[in-house]
Amino acid sequence: EVVLTQSPGTLSLSPGERATLSCRASQSVISNYLAWCQHKPGQAPRLLIYGASNRATGIPDRFSGSGSGTDFTLTISRLEPEDFAVYYCQHYATPPVTFGGGTKVEIK
Amino acid sequence: EVQLVESGGGLVKPGQSLRLSCAGSGFIFTNAWLNWVRLAPGKGLEWLGRIKSPPDGATTDYAAPVKGRFTISRDDSKNTVYLQMNSLKSEDTAVYYCTTGWYNDYWGQGTLVTVSP
Repeated sequence: EVVLTQSPGTLSLSPGERATLSCRASQSVISNYLAWCQHKPGQAPRLLIYGASNRATGIPDRFSGSGSGTDFTLTISRLEPEDFAVYYCQHYATPPVTFGGGTKVEIK
Repeated sequence: EVQLVESGGGLVKPGQSLRLSCAGSGFIFTNAWLNWVRLAPGKGLEWLGRIKSPPDGATTDYAAPVKGRFTISRDDSKNTVYLQMNSLKSEDTAVYYCTTGWYNDYWGQGTLVTVSP
């Protein structure tokens, strides 16, 4: 099973700032099958990125994913008010699918 | 527009069973891989398992913590996927989501399951 460790646990930033979220895998992720999703309280989670760097349909270009092997990053170039949420990375190459523990991006 | 609507959640006692349903629309259901994911209070997302599409064999995979207790099935004539949960424990208390695809590309709003005496 691939264990994903996200850091930091909480990121306190102001609107307009850049957010950099990290996801580290316990072993190399096959073919970079790593996704990121966003979750706001009371709402359905939303897929942002798949294949480490491909934006899902309708996702603004301020969201970008990068990385390979065991180290992956989600970058939000300029935080909008609606971006304050919890972000999870996800490995999906082989079952079991696993999620990281999440990074909460909160308003400073 | 892809829509997934979960139902069947509620309050149950430890040891009891519950079956959740998820109705899908806006996509070709028979081609879809379908997953169940949960979010327990104070915890992160946890993938429970999936059922592949009939063209891919309609086989299932499960996470270790629920294997043998939870069963995923599908009825393509009703565009519905099910999660049968047996021998429920307090730690199964969570919001349960169904999702589509290999990497959970679409999510429902979730249904709350509370396991308490």
